[in-house]
Amino acid sequence: QVQLVQSGAEVKKPGASVRVSCKASGYTFTAYFMHWVRQAPGQGLEWMGWINPNSGDTNYAQKFQGRVTMTRDTSITTAFMELSSLRSDDTAVYYCAPATVTFDNWGQGTPVTVSS
Amino acid sequence: EIVLTQSPGTLSLSPGERATLSCRASQSVSSSYLAWYQQKPGQAPRLLIYGASNRATGIPDRFSGSGSGTDFTLTISRLEPEDFAVYHCQHYGSSPWTFGQGTKVEIK
Repeated sequence: QVQLVQSGAEVKKPGASVRVSCKASGYTFTAYFMHWVRQAPGQGLEWMGWINPNSGDTNYAQKFQGRVTMTRDTSITTAFMELSSLRSDDTAVYYCAPATVTFDNWGQGTPVTVSS
Repeated sequence: EIVLTQSPGTLSLSPGERATLSCRASQSVSSSYLAWYQQKPGQAPRLLIYGASNRATGIPDRFSGSGSGTDFTLTISRLEPEDFAVYHCQHYGSSPWTFGQGTKVEIK
């Protein structure tokens, strides 16, 4: 079965960067784009972008252009999402989800808290 | 960018009642690339409906989706205790993927 295991909770100061990992198993890692979605406390879901694990091509939501970098390491079937220049409103749970179109499977989420 | 607006923000109902949730798009959603997700506290979302009206694997038939163009509806025919949760609609298939702000279905 598909398993997506994300890295643990992070606490960062404003201006810092955070890197979240997503270890995938139970399917062909390179067959599905890996999307990243975040959810601020008490808020809705926000799509951040995707990476094609096969080619490394990326597509980022305009809001995050210049601050987000999505990468992958196919040898360990792991995707990474790095967000820089963190602000307090980046406090959220960050999810990975492999998909062709819909998000049938999700990681467990990684809470990121940005606080001075 | 397709903006999705869900209504109402909160729906207060009793078990056994019918729930009707709305999702309106700012422009037509092509090929009905509209999905619904259920999310419970502390959990990741779960896919319920894709293609506007197709139930995902394992989803009970009390959940149904309908609509096309810019107006979509999720109906829960008879609420079970485990159905009280937040429901999100999503446009997918072309960038940017977008979500509505969610509708909370709470116990009255």
